[in-house]
Amino acid sequence: NAGVTQTPKFQVLKTGQSMTLQCAQDMNHNSMYWYRQDPGMGLRLIYYSASEGTTDKGEVPNGYNVSRLNKREFSLRLESAAPSQTSVYFCASSDSGGYQETQYFGPGTRLLVL
Amino acid sequence: AQSVAQPEDQVNVAEGNPLTVKCTYSVSGNPYLFWYVQYPNRGLQFLLKYITGDNLVKGSYGFEAEFNKSQTSFHLKKPSALVSDSALYFCAVRGSGAGSYQLTFGKGTKLSVIP
Repeated sequence: NAGVTQTPKFQVLKTGQSMTLQCAQDMNHNSMYWYRQDPGMGLRLIYYSASEGTTDKGEVPNGYNVSRLNKREFSLRLESAAPSQTSVYFCASSDSGGYQETQYFGPGTRLLVL
Repeated sequence: AQSVAQPEDQVNVAEGNPLTVKCTYSVSGNPYLFWYVQYPNRGLQFLLKYITGDNLVKGSYGFEAEFNKSQTSFHLKKPSALVSDSALYFCAVRGSGAGSYQLTFGKGTKLSVIP
């Protein structure tokens, strides 16, 4: 049981390049989330998927797109990377997205945009 | 809008001494409160949560947290700190009011336990 896995672990991009961050969970969870972590700012929600086939914007969605490929996988795409998107990205999942549910996090992807 | 405040960027404590990491919150509806820990270059690990009931919540690694509704606080505590407790700690809240679909995190408190 690997929990939540993310690939790649680290990536360097040039401004304007695109890339997709991959996330998968093996806990049979319905809800999945993408956060970014910046120094001194905690974690901020980018997008979430309450269930397979649905996605919604979070607090900071601009410059990102997501795809809920199936129940296990939730990808985050940067179409044209900008230096402001340099951050650590975390994927998380929870059973059904209820108020009291614990979210379980992946190890993160460190992204540097030059 | 819901919010979380962790008033201390850093907390230093001697090994063996009790530790407290502070958290206050603001939400509409009932609060659901969480503590997570992050070790260097790792993801967030769940420590404990408050849903309802007993105001003192016990969690992993000997940590506990006290929910205080009147002070809107949820401070993390441990009776005797270990060097291995040194990490970044995040408080998070989710309300039950309309539109409170997301978990809101504080900015984090760096805990350093000095041998």
